[in-house]
Amino acid sequence: EAGVTQFPSHSVIEKGQTVTLRCDPISGHDNLYWYRRVMGKEIKFLLHFVKESKQDESGMPNNRFLAERTGGTYSTLKVQPAELEDSGVYFCASSPTGRGAGANVLTFGAGSRLTVL
Amino acid sequence: DQQVKQNSPSLSVQEGRISILNCDYTNSMFDYFLWYKKYPAEGPTFLISISSIKDKNEDGRFTVFLNKSAKHLSLHIVPSQPGDSAVYFCAASARDSGGYQKVTFGTGTKLQVIP
Repeated sequence: EAGVTQFPSHSVIEKGQTVTLRCDPISGHDNLYWYRRVMGKEIKFLLHFVKESKQDESGMPNNRFLAERTGGTYSTLKVQPAELEDSGVYFCASSPTGRGAGANVLTFGAGSRLTVL
Repeated sequence: DQQVKQNSPSLSVQEGRISILNCDYTNSMFDYFLWYKKYPAEGPTFLISISSIKDKNEDGRFTVFLNKSAKHLSLHIVPSQPGDSAVYFCAASARDSGGYQKVTFGTGTKLQVIP
């Protein structure tokens, strides 16, 4: 079974530019999450999709961040325009369908490291 | 406001000894607790979990203890092995308004097991 795949693994951009991160979850996982870790800090929740719908986007920092999940499959996270404080590692995770206890065992991708100069 | 706290950023343990990683939480609505392990340049991987109705769960060398009254959990690794060297994240989940699980993570503790 393929795991969670994220692309790119590392992106270096200048302040004001746009970056789009992509996540392919495990096939059949309806729950898809985006998290971010800034150096040395917690892995912070950004948002949660159930299929193509945004279930919870309370962690999105501001309106420079836009997440989509086309057809309930892969997801993209766009940052536009990027600021210095957006630097960090963006993790995508997926979990099995439903609301049961198994749904909180998240499978993570390797992360996309974003460096904004 | 950090709801899951790992106050020790790092821990060094001799191979073969016990590693104890600690975690405190503030949200009494958390009903499931998990530990994840992370190697450099990889995503966190699930290690072990415990339901809030239990106080102990064991899986091989790994045991998680939960003290609900103290809002504290710990992960014990016995015996510790060099391959256990990684960052360990404590996590807790609670249901959101739609009934879905929302998982909150701590800052991590970097464990180094010395051969």
